[in-house]
Amino acid sequence: NAGVMQNPRHLVRRRGQEARLRCSPMKGHSHVYWYRQLPEEGLKFMVYLQKENIIDESGMPKERFSAEFPKEGPSILRIQQVVRGDSAAYFCASSPRETGGKRNTEAFFGQGTRLTVV
Amino acid sequence: GEDVEQSLFLSVREGDSSVINCTYTDSSSTYLYWYKQEPGAGLQLLTYIFSNMDMKQDQRLTVLLNKKDKHLSLRIADTQTGDSAIYFCAETWNSGNTPLVFGKGTRLSVIA
Repeated sequence: NAGVMQNPRHLVRRRGQEARLRCSPMKGHSHVYWYRQLPEEGLKFMVYLQKENIIDESGMPKERFSAEFPKEGPSILRIQQVVRGDSAAYFCASSPRETGGKRNTEAFFGQGTRLTVV
Repeated sequence: GEDVEQSLFLSVREGDSSVINCTYTDSSSTYLYWYKQEPGAGLQLLTYIFSNMDMKQDQRLTVLLNKKDKHLSLRIADTQTGDSAIYFCAETWNSGNTPLVFGKGTRLSVIA
């Protein structure tokens, strides 16, 4: 059973380009969370999705950022017109459960995508 | 409000015990977690404690929770060089039905 797979592991984009980050949850997991880790910071929640549904996007910047988790395929975090401040590590976690304490205790994190904007 | 504070660095000698501390501000926190992040890797859940507990022990790891002072600690017994990593404290509330709120992490260096 493969873990949470994120790709690419490293992504370099020039200012103004688009970045697409992919996350394939663990088998049997239908809930995906995206977190961003700025340099020397902890992780900050961005968005929580179920398949074909955004449950909580309270941590997403209002502009340029979007996320989806289609019925088939990985979850995608999309950043349009990237700026230097978007440089960070983006982590995805997946969980089999929607509610309750086990939502997080049974969640697994991927290895992250490190985005560098030049 | 939600805020989790940790000291940034800790250095210990191999074989000693490490104690990593964390304070949180939300008194309604229901679960508190410790994660380990090794260089270039994702986060690994080490252990967690429910807010109605004072202590939890799991092999070399001991978690202590002081709800009155909103203080959480992680003790690693017999610290090894493989324990060198960044340790994050995190909290959730509402019976765990909220996203994780993380501290900035404590970088543990183990000296051989």
